[in-house]
Amino acid sequence: KAGVTQTPRYLIKTRGQQVTLSCSPISGHRSVSWYQQTPGQGLQFLFEYFSETQRNKGNFPGRFSGRQFSNSRSEMNVSTLELGDSALYLCASRLNPGGYEQYFGPGTRLTVT
Amino acid sequence: DQQVKQNSPSLSVQEGRISILNCDYTNSMFDYFLWYKKYPAEGPTFLISISSIKDKNEDGRFTVFLNKSAKHLSLHIVPSQPGDSAVYFCAASGGQGGSEKLVFGKGTKLTVNP
Repeated sequence: KAGVTQTPRYLIKTRGQQVTLSCSPISGHRSVSWYQQTPGQGLQFLFEYFSETQRNKGNFPGRFSGRQFSNSRSEMNVSTLELGDSALYLCASRLNPGGYEQYFGPGTRLTVT
Repeated sequence: DQQVKQNSPSLSVQEGRISILNCDYTNSMFDYFLWYKKYPAEGPTFLISISSIKDKNEDGRFTVFLNKSAKHLSLHIVPSQPGDSAVYFCAASGGQGGSEKLVFGKGTKLTVNP
């Protein structure tokens, strides 16, 4: 069974631009979560989607948004990029929100210049 | 407010010895705890977990201990191998009235020297 895939793997953007990242969960997994990893901050939860609905949201500004499609694939969007948005963005999937174990993709490394 | 804390940013041990990684939490509503391992340029991979109804869970060389009264858990790796060198994240779930959201610590970088 294929793992979680994320595209693109690397991205360089300029301040003020917007970016869209994509995540395809493991086949059969309907819950997708997004995390931001920065040096010294660990993994910070952005949001979780299940059945195309946002179930949980972390403490990030409204510039960070996401959505989930009927095939469980998910996208996250960051608008008006700031230098501090440079990070590794990780997507994780699980069968459903009640399943504790999440399976992570390799991440998208975003650099904002 | 950091609910899951890994106070040691790094740990270095010799091959064949025991590695002990520690994690503290503040939210008494957490009822499930997990450890993830992360290599550079890869996503975290699930390692081992423990429910709050247990105090120990073992899987091969990896054992997780939970001390609920101290709100402390630890991951023991015996014997440590150079391939275990990675960043280890502790995570907890069940806080905030049963939220399924995973809360992660900042990680501990383990280096196992040959």
